[in-house]
Amino acid sequence: EVQLLESGGGLVQPGGSLTLSCAASGFTFSSYAMSWVRQAPGKGLEWVSGISGFGGGTYYADSVKGRFTISRDNSNNALYLQMNSLRADDTAVYYCAKDDSLMVVLRVDSWGQGTLVTVSS
Amino acid sequence: SYVLTQPLSVSVAPGKTARITCGGDNVGSKSVNWYQQKPGQAPVLVIYYDSDRPSGIPERFSASNSGNTATLTISRVEAGDEADYHCQVWDSSSDQGVFGGGTKLTVL
Repeated sequence: EVQLLESGGGLVQPGGSLTLSCAASGFTFSSYAMSWVRQAPGKGLEWVSGISGFGGGTYYADSVKGRFTISRDNSNNALYLQMNSLRADDTAVYYCAKDDSLMVVLRVDSWGQGTLVTVSS
Repeated sequence: SYVLTQPLSVSVAPGKTARITCGGDNVGSKSVNWYQQKPGQAPVLVIYYDSDRPSGIPERFSASNSGNTATLTISRVEAGDEADYHCQVWDSSSDQGVFGGGTKLTVL
């Protein structure tokens, strides 16, 4: 059974930094692309960033480009999102999402339960 | 950047058919996925590759994609289908994922 467990969310001040982690199990982690998808309170889903299975390809939404960095550790089945220069509009539940492809195509067949990031002073 | 447009809400009586649209410029040339999200829960993939159903998704869920509109159709709607539904594509021209704004399906 695929399991994705996010951690690292919390309250951070504007301009601050936070790193999210996602622990994956139940599948061959390096064979699948992964993404982070967020959802602001009461809003729709927003794709944030994706990374290919081998980590060679990384992609970002315009709203986070230059501020967020996605990475993965295939030896430890872990996905990360380093978030810098956080703003109030980054406040959201962040989901770890598994693609059904080696490359990022955002055909998400498994989701974590999400971790809440609140950016506020 | 590429934009997908969904109606904010759709209402349907139990047993009837619900249709949720997803509009985008030549969306028919892209592969559309649909997700169901119930309150307080993570999304669930209900349609991929425009019209394929993952295992475990009832046959009542079907979809099509042509021209500038993709459509999710839920037949014989049940109370348990009440949820938000999100369409989504991968925009290969910008290498970015795109979600529609989501549609709240209300079962009357």
